[in-house]
Amino acid sequence: EPEVTQTPSHQVTQMGQEVILRCVPISNHLYFYWYRQILGQKVEFLVSFYNNEISEKSEIFDDQFSVERPDGSNFTLKIRSTKLEDSAMYFCASIGTGEKLFFGSGTQLSVL
Amino acid sequence: KNEVEQSPQNLTAQEGEFITINCSYSVGISALHWLQQHPGGGIVSLFMLSSGKKKHGRLIATINIQEKHSSLHITASHPRDSAVYICAVQKTSYDKVIFGPGTSLSVIP
Repeated sequence: EPEVTQTPSHQVTQMGQEVILRCVPISNHLYFYWYRQILGQKVEFLVSFYNNEISEKSEIFDDQFSVERPDGSNFTLKIRSTKLEDSAMYFCASIGTGEKLFFGSGTQLSVL
Repeated sequence: KNEVEQSPQNLTAQEGEFITINCSYSVGISALHWLQQHPGGGIVSLFMLSSGKKKHGRLIATINIQEKHSSLHITASHPRDSAVYICAVQKTSYDKVIFGPGTSLSVIP
């Protein structure tokens, strides 16, 4: 079965540093999403991306966050100046024409 | 108020038992998803439903659109079924997914 690939699997950073989380969605998918899950809590929506632009973003997705699809395959989430409360598991997801959801295995971000 | 609720929050079962996890939602939806999350954190899609019932192996998912309710059943449960099961909905096609809180299932040998 096709896979969504996320790198790195773990990222440790100092507060105030920039991080870039990377995702390679399934090649023929058109709709891409970032979600996050703080330890012990439910998964929360961050942003959706279609046709090379943001289609929706949540209140969490403030000016510190940005997304890009720089080369037509990678889909990145950047956090400009990380805070302690950004520590979470970040999931990339994509949907194809069959509307089935495919999730990446996640990046565990720890902000110290 | 949460748009997606699940019950029970935690469930412990003996191997071989029949298991039911319930989901209720308060919004109009185009699709409901049942997802599985293992301790390592990865999320796998089990079912996508817009009506009726689907079966895959020992898993059965049903949805009642009028009652805004869905159930996930596991027959002949096995310790490898131990995971968090998450109900999630989409209001429209290709919309963001709204997640429920999850049900943590532990199947004891």
